[in-house]
Amino acid sequence: DVKVTQSSRYLVKRTGEKVFLECVQDMDHENMFWYRQDPGLGLRLIYFSYDVKMKEKGDIPEGYSVSREKKERFSLILESASTNQTSMYLCASSPDQRDREQFFGPGTRLTVL
Amino acid sequence: QQQVKQSPQSLIVQKGGISIINCAYENTAFDYFPWYQQFPGKGPALLIAIRPDVSEKKEGRFTISFNKSAKQFSLHIMDSQPGDSATYFCAATSGGYQKVTFGTGTKLQVIP
Repeated sequence: DVKVTQSSRYLVKRTGEKVFLECVQDMDHENMFWYRQDPGLGLRLIYFSYDVKMKEKGDIPEGYSVSREKKERFSLILESASTNQTSMYLCASSPDQRDREQFFGPGTRLTVL
Repeated sequence: QQQVKQSPQSLIVQKGGISIINCAYENTAFDYFPWYQQFPGKGPALLIAIRPDVSEKKEGRFTISFNKSAKQFSLHIMDSQPGDSATYFCAATSGGYQKVTFGTGTKLQVIP
């Protein structure tokens, strides 16, 4: 059974804190993605990675960075959390094949106070 | 810039009815159109997908209709059931790294 796991389901942080969101997949997928999900805005791509140590900006990368040191792990970093980063964060992975589905984790609900 | 527009934002359908969700896109480079289903507390999961060389694809009670000239596609759920209550996202892809552009989502509620 394929699986994408995220380190926390719920997280509460203070403004200005450095926040790490971790994602691990056990499917040996090449591609990994970070999205944020907000009501009325759908899923918006923050960053994605198509290989170890490789990363590409998505549609809303400002205020975020990522790290991929191992194939199975993709981390999202908020260098200095702000209240407008309160959101649901979803990690996904997919194989590097045409038209392959993305497999999502359960999400992390981050609240920045 | 919203590249995939989805409507309606929410939808209430009676059990046994037909649920219809519509999407439109602008980028003619899109060449694969998946639909994802998301239940509360879960991540989205692929429901059904279509390529633009066909006009319709059916899997069980779920059908995608695709109109390439109009750059529109829609999801039809026949005989809607309360278990279909979820948020549905249309999406589109192009390029080699599986980057997906999602619509804004439709929250479907099927009432008994």
